[in-house]
Formats: sequence, C-alpha cells, structure tokens
Amino acid sequence: EPEVTQTPSHQVTQMGQEVILRCVPISNHLYFYWYRQILGQKVEFLVSFYNNEISEKSEIFDDQFSVERPDGSNFTLKIRSTKLEDSAMYFCASSEGLAVTGELFFGEGSRLTVL
Amino acid sequence: DQQVKQNSPSLSVQEGRISILNCDYTNSMFDYFLWYKKYPAEGPTFLISISSIKDKNEDGRFTVFLNKSAKHLSLHIVPSQPGDSAVYFCAASRGNYGQNFVFGPGTRLSVLP
Repeated sequence: EPEVTQTPSHQVTQMGQEVILRCVPISNHLYFYWYRQILGQKVEFLVSFYNNEISEKSEIFDDQFSVERPDGSNFTLKIRSTKLEDSAMYFCASSEGLAVTGELFFGEGSRLTVL
Repeated sequence: DQQVKQNSPSLSVQEGRISILNCDYTNSMFDYFLWYKKYPAEGPTFLISISSIKDKNEDGRFTVFLNKSAKHLSLHIVPSQPGDSAVYFCAASRGNYGQNFVFGPGTRLSVLP
C-alpha cells in the first residue's frame, strides 16, 4: 500500500539553527500538507501546497517557515531559525483530491527537539 | 479558539461493547468531517468521513453520525476490540481549495479485554 514517508524520524537541533524536514508524498497525490503536534496538544494545520504554490497557511506558518517541492517527489518544510517552541512532531500529509472527496494520508512524523 | 471540540479526553470500554466518541464544532461553514486514529509514535490514519449532505456513514464496525443542527458528530465502534485502543481525532473542513482540516484535541480510547 502506498504511504507517505518522512525523514528524519527525530532531529535534535540548537535554538537558532535551520532545520529541513523531508517528505515523500504518495506519488499520484496532488495536494500536500504539513501539520504539527506539540506534545500533549492537538494536531495543528501549518500549510497546504498545490500546483507548486502555497494554497493556504495558518498563523503558525510565519516567515520562519517555508515549503518547497524541489523535485517531482520530495516536499520539504524548512524552519529558518528554530525556537524552543518549535519542538513538536511534524506530520506531512498528502491527498489525491479536494476536501470533499479525499482524505489525508499522513506520514509517521518527524520529531523535532530544539534545545 | 476551539472550533472543533472533543470534550472527553479519555474513554474506557469493555471489549465487545460499543464505543461512542463525540465531537462538537462551532463553525457552521464546516461541511466535511473525518475521524482519524492515532497510535503512539505513528501518524494519524484515516478511519471514516462524512459530508454535510449525509447524516450517517457506515464502514464495517465504524459508523459516523452527523447532527448538523446541533453541530455534533459521533463515532460508534461496534464491537470494540483491544486493537481499537488509540487516540481518536475528529477533524473538520470547509471543503475549500486548501483543505485546511481543523483537528479536535483527541479522545484516548482504551478497550479493556
């Protein structure tokens, strides 16, 4: 069964460092997303991406964040200068179609720890 | 601003009995709802969905009921099995282009053998 894969599974970084989280969405999917879950809190939407551009982003997704689809398979989330409060599990997701027809398929997550 | 609420942080049910997980939402623009299950150290996995034109959707042991006037939905699991023990998230969307799903805080279900 096709799946969304994410790397790394866990990254530890110093505050102020740049971090890139990588995702390989399911190959025939057209919509890509990043969500995050701070420990003990709910899953929060960060950004959605379609047709090589951001289609929607939340208030969390400020100028420190960026996304990119550098080639035909990868979808990356970059945090330019990490803060302690960026420590969370980051989930990549993809979907085949729009909200009314398709569900999101999530990866297993990348745990980011900012020290 | 909690647009999607799951007021029970945890629920324990005996194996074989019915599990009922509840979800309330405040945004009347939401028109598509999903339930996800999440095991520790894994990403959420899709369970079942319902659009606002329906009031019930069934898939095997899982049934989702939607009461639009009350802005309430529920997930019924019958019969409950120990493998169903997980955190269940309700999610809602406006069905817009960006597919911004808003997740509830989750309910931890424990199915006791």
